Amino acid sequence: EAGVAQSPRYKIIEKRQSVAFWCNPISGHATLYWYQQILGQGPKLLIQFQNNGVVDDSQLPKDRFSAERLKGVDSTLKIQPAKLEDSAVYLCASSLDSFGTDTQYFGPGTRLTVL
Amino acid sequence: QKEVEQNSGPLSVPEGAIASLNCTYSDRVSQSFFWYRQYSGKSPELIMSIYSNGDKEDGRFTAQLNKASQYVSLLIRDSQPSDSATYLCAVKNTNAGKSTFGDGTTLTVKP
Repeated sequence: EAGVAQSPRYKIIEKRQSVAFWCNPISGHATLYWYQQILGQGPKLLIQFQNNGVVDDSQLPKDRFSAERLKGVDSTLKIQPAKLEDSAVYLCASSLDSFGTDTQYFGPGTRLTVL
Repeated sequence: QKEVEQNSGPLSVPEGAIASLNCTYSDRVSQSFFWYRQYSGKSPELIMSIYSNGDKEDGRFTAQLNKASQYVSLLIRDSQPSDSATYLCAVKNTNAGKSTFGDGTTLTVKP
């Protein structure tokens, strides 16, 4: 079974530029999560999709971050414009269902550096 | 108060010792509890999940849950240098479909 795929693995941009990340979850997983992990901290949920609907985006900075999961499968997360404090690892995860007891499976992450 | 709090660490134990990692949570209706291991530069991977009060053992790992005290712990017996990593506690409210992670405890096992 293929795992969660993410690209790119690394990205370096200057502040005020835009960037997009892509995620393809495990086949059959209805729930997709985007997390931001700053060095030394735990993953912080940015947005959670159940199929192509949003379950939780309360911590997504909507003035600069956007995410979509149009066909209920893969997803993109965009930052525009980027700030220095956006430097972090962006993790995508998937699970069978938002409301079950199943675990989340994480992709390898995208390490973003904003200069 | 953070929703999920873990020992700030770092925690250092000698090889062969028992490592004890603790986690407290604030959402009383949480039903599912997870321990993830994260090696430096890697993504989190699941070690244990626990849903009922009491102990759950899997090899060298034992998870303990006490919902009345809102406390979950992970014991690692016979610690090995390969156990050196950051351990993340995650708590899930399945009704709301919401999971929250702690900031992790970094464990170092010294040969």
